[in-house]
Parts: sequence; structure tokens; C-alpha cells
Amino acid sequence: RKEVEQDPGPFNVPEGATVAFNCTYSNSASQSFFWYRQDCRKEPKLLMSVYSSGNEDGRFTAQLNRASQYISLLIRDSKLSDSATYLCVVNLPSGSARQLTFGSGTQLTVLP
Amino acid sequence: NAGVTQTPKFRILKIGQSMTLQCTQDMNHNYMYWYRQDPGMGLKLIYYSVGAGITDKGEVPNGYNVSRSTTEDFPLRLELAAPSQTSVYFCASSTSTDTQYFGPGTRLTVL
Repeated sequence: RKEVEQDPGPFNVPEGATVAFNCTYSNSASQSFFWYRQDCRKEPKLLMSVYSSGNEDGRFTAQLNRASQYISLLIRDSKLSDSATYLCVVNLPSGSARQLTFGSGTQLTVLP
Repeated sequence: NAGVTQTPKFRILKIGQSMTLQCTQDMNHNYMYWYRQDPGMGLKLIYYSVGAGITDKGEVPNGYNVSRSTTEDFPLRLELAAPSQTSVYFCASSTSTDTQYFGPGTRLTVL
């Protein structure tokens, strides 16, 4: 089983749609959770951290369910500029540094 | 403040050649990382460093070496390039918190 699993998509949605991405992680010792965004042929950039109580940043809402080892990202009122690959990222305490484990990403295309 | 810079942006190597991928950060971050990303795959950690003089292996270290003589620089060395090392290489840095800042990447092709 992969440490971090995501539906690869692609998700093709019209502008204004609401879209949700899901992610599961295998290591119950995982401590921190993130969503990164990666544009085509670019580097990943932090979109938002995911907190146990759930958190919102504008049109983006992230949820964490530790019991089910499940993370989600909801994007409301999709914009063309939201087209990207969304990476689910989990911190695994390992060795002398915190290491991030990346999912393979979910590709989103927002259509006009 | 340039953040994390990487050179070169692109490189084509022949099998058996060697090269060094350069990474520099100007944010005074202690932690630095090297990842590779194959098409359609997530990032895999090659090596990381928690400070000058300290390095450690990640998930896929075979075929690579690193050094960390200064806080700013974290070069990645490929000694005998193989086609399996064709990938995009990202360098990242962070403080003691979890957010990592990535460089723009180096696209390497080994023929």
C-alpha cells in the first residue's frame, strides 16, 4: 500500500463548479498534513496546511479525519487559474529531520 | 531575496557521465532536501540535510551523493549517470517548521 494515495484524476470541471479531492495515508504516526499545488512544469508550492479541526482559506477548505486517516480538499467556485495538480503531503517523523511524503497528485482542469 | 535557486535548468547527459546539480538558498534555512519527480509520480526524497556538515539518506539515495559545507549550498552529485536517473530534480529548504520552499527544478535526461 502506498504511504499517501490520491485519485490521479484528471478532474475536468466547468468554471464555477465545486470539486473535492480525497487522500488517504497509511502511517497513523503522521503528524502534519498539507496540500501543495503544482503547475505544469513548475515546482510545488504550499497551498494550505490541514488542521484537525478543519480550516478554510477563501474558496479552499481542507479537512482531516485522523481516525480514518483521510484528508480532503474542497474548492468552491472554481476558476480557470485553479487548473493544476494538487499534491497531498504528509509529514512522517523519521530520522533527524521531518520528512514530507508526497502523493502522486490529482490533476484538475477548470474549463471555460 | 531569491529563495531557492537551482542550476542548470536543463541538462542532457550520456550514460556514464557525471554532473553536479547546484542548489542555493538565501533564507538561512537549516533544512535542505533533494527530490526527484518522475512523470505522473509524486516526489521522492533522495537526500536531506539538517545543517552544515550533516546529511542523511532519503528514500532513493542510490546513484547520488551530497555535501553541505555551508548553510546556503546543497549540491547533488551524480557519478555515473544512468537512464533511470532521467527525471526532474527539485531542491527545497525549510526552517524547523514543515513548510518547504522549492526551487524551480532541473530537468535531466540521460541518453
